[in-house]
Amino acid sequence: EAQVTQNPRYLITVTGKKLTVTCSQNMNHEYMSWYRQDPGLGLRQIYYSMNVEVTDKGDVPEGYKVSRKEKRNFPLILESPSPNQTSLYFCASSATGTGVGEKLFFGSGTQLSVL
Amino acid sequence: GQQLNQSPQSMFIQEGEDVSMNCTSSSIFNTWLWYKQDPGEGPVLLIALYKAGELTSNGRLTAQFGITRKDSFLNISASIPSDVGIYFCAGLRGGSNYKLTFGKGTLLTVNP
Repeated sequence: EAQVTQNPRYLITVTGKKLTVTCSQNMNHEYMSWYRQDPGLGLRQIYYSMNVEVTDKGDVPEGYKVSRKEKRNFPLILESPSPNQTSLYFCASSATGTGVGEKLFFGSGTQLSVL
Repeated sequence: GQQLNQSPQSMFIQEGEDVSMNCTSSSIFNTWLWYKQDPGEGPVLLIALYKAGELTSNGRLTAQFGITRKDSFLNISASIPSDVGIYFCAGLRGGSNYKLTFGKGTLLTVNP
């Protein structure tokens, strides 16, 4: 089954404790992206990657890092989490070509709480 | 980064009623997309629009790409309880085929 898998689904942590949210896709997609969803703000892009070793900032990259060492994986790293990073995070992937939006597959989300 | 202006923020309707929501922007978009997010899940694509003036249907859903390329609307006819969720519009600008801008979402509640 074609899917985007995020882990963990829920995470509670404390300020300053480094964490990684993993994302993996099994569709051989070139494009991968991270979004955060906050009440009243919708979905905002954090980082995206066009292909292996190619990443770029989205609209809200501060406080986050990503890496794309393999095509299927795109982990989101919070080196020193802060309470304002409490949010629902989504990973998404797509084949590039006519446009990524048409075939953008989302994971089920990771609810992060930073105390 | 710019976000799209999506309205209304929320809607409470009775089963069987029709629903309309829209997105506007000060910028031109080459592609408009409508997604639905069920509770506890990621968004799923409903309809994609590629040309100004285009009107596309998907079952009870109909969406249109505005003539000015700065707006789009989504209609749901004869709503049913499973239509409950958050609906997002999203746009792709020309020259940046990989940066998707989302609206803030419309929360739809359908009373049986």
